[in-house]
Amino acid sequence: DAGVTQSPTHLIKTRGQQVTLRCSPISGHKSVSWYQQVLGQGPQFIFQYYEKEERGRGNFPDRFSARQFPNYSSELNVNALLLGDSALYLCASSLVGLAGGLTDTQYFGPGTRLTVL
Amino acid sequence: KNEVEQSPQNLTAQEGEFITINCSYSVGISALHWLQQHPGGGIVSLFMLSSGKKKHGRLIATINIQEKHSSLHITASHPRDSAVYICAVNNNDMRFGAGTRLTVKP
Repeated sequence: DAGVTQSPTHLIKTRGQQVTLRCSPISGHKSVSWYQQVLGQGPQFIFQYYEKEERGRGNFPDRFSARQFPNYSSELNVNALLLGDSALYLCASSLVGLAGGLTDTQYFGPGTRLTVL
Repeated sequence: KNEVEQSPQNLTAQEGEFITINCSYSVGISALHWLQQHPGGGIVSLFMLSSGKKKHGRLIATINIQEKHSSLHITASHPRDSAVYICAVNNNDMRFGAGTRLTVKP
């Protein structure tokens, strides 16, 4: 079985542009979470989707949005890019969600490295 | 103050040494995760635990819920164990520590 896949692997954008990152979960997994990892720091939670509904949102501005499709794949959109958005964006999938006490092992994708110039 | 604190930040060991990485958290949790991140970014989940102790090969993870503390131990360390080890807790969402960079020298 394929693991979590993300595309693209690397991306260079300029300030003010918009970007869409994509994630395909492990087959059978219904939950997808997005994380931002700035160089030298631990990941920070952005969003979690379970069964196509947003189940959690981290402390990120409204420029960040996401959605989950019927096949459980997901997109993360970032508008009006800032230099500070440069980071590794990680997607993780799991069978069940994170909220409400539900816990499950998270399987991480390789990440998309976004550079904003 | 970060809700998840790890120590040490950096750790250098000789091959064969016993290694301990610590994680303290300040929020209520449903589970704690230990993750391994290699250069290039890929993250692998090592353990998920909510009580007691788990062992997988040379890796051992323990958690003390009352003290809000967890430890990751590596026995007979090897250069291929060199990576960043991240502690994360489930509290409706995932909260991560800053990671411990481990270097094991031959």
